[in-house]
Amino acid sequence: GDSVTQMEGPVTLSEEAFLTINCTYTATGYPSLFWYVQYPGEGLQLLLKATKADDKGSNKGFEATYRKETTSFHLEKGSVQVSDSAVYFCAQQTEGGNKLTFGTGTQLKVEL
Amino acid sequence: DVKVTQSSRYLVKRTGEKVFLECVQDMDHENMFWYRQDPGLGLRLIYFSYDVKMKEKGDIPEGYSVSREKKERFSLILESASTNQTSMYLCASSFIWDYKGREQFFGPGTRLTVL
Repeated sequence: GDSVTQMEGPVTLSEEAFLTINCTYTATGYPSLFWYVQYPGEGLQLLLKATKADDKGSNKGFEATYRKETTSFHLEKGSVQVSDSAVYFCAQQTEGGNKLTFGTGTQLKVEL
Repeated sequence: DVKVTQSSRYLVKRTGEKVFLECVQDMDHENMFWYRQDPGLGLRLIYFSYDVKMKEKGDIPEGYSVSREKKERFSLILESASTNQTSMYLCASSFIWDYKGREQFFGPGTRLTVL
């Protein structure tokens, strides 16, 4: 069935470090792919998305590219800040589907 | 701004009690969803609704029911709460998925503890 696998956390980085959080998916067809972020004490909010192969989603310095050949949608940021500390969820919506399938989440902690 | 509100941030109930979790959205969204969030398991869909009085089971519906009598309101019901239902419950809403990439909007969550 459809699934999303993302790297285990927690990930601890120093401020201004480079961030990569890996995400791979299994799905038939061409799903839409999302990264959601959950800040402490809050619900999830959309960070970025991509709806077709080779699309790049970007927001707040974060980027992710839809790679059909590797079924991946890795999240990257060139220079993280303490305020980026949160839990990050990768998710997919299958073609014609009306539900999201989420990964298990990756907790990021950024220290000074 | 889209707003999804949940009736309580924290709730403590006893085993066997009937529990109601309420969710209200103000954006005229057709779809509404209930998830539970547990460490190491991510978000799992309990139920969703695509219209008033319509519902579909998600991945883990056992022990839960839902009600949607008005478009803006979606309730999750635990008929007889059990300790394994202690969790964070998240409500979300969205427009119908008439094109790819429609966003879901989430409420702040209700942390339910069943003693």
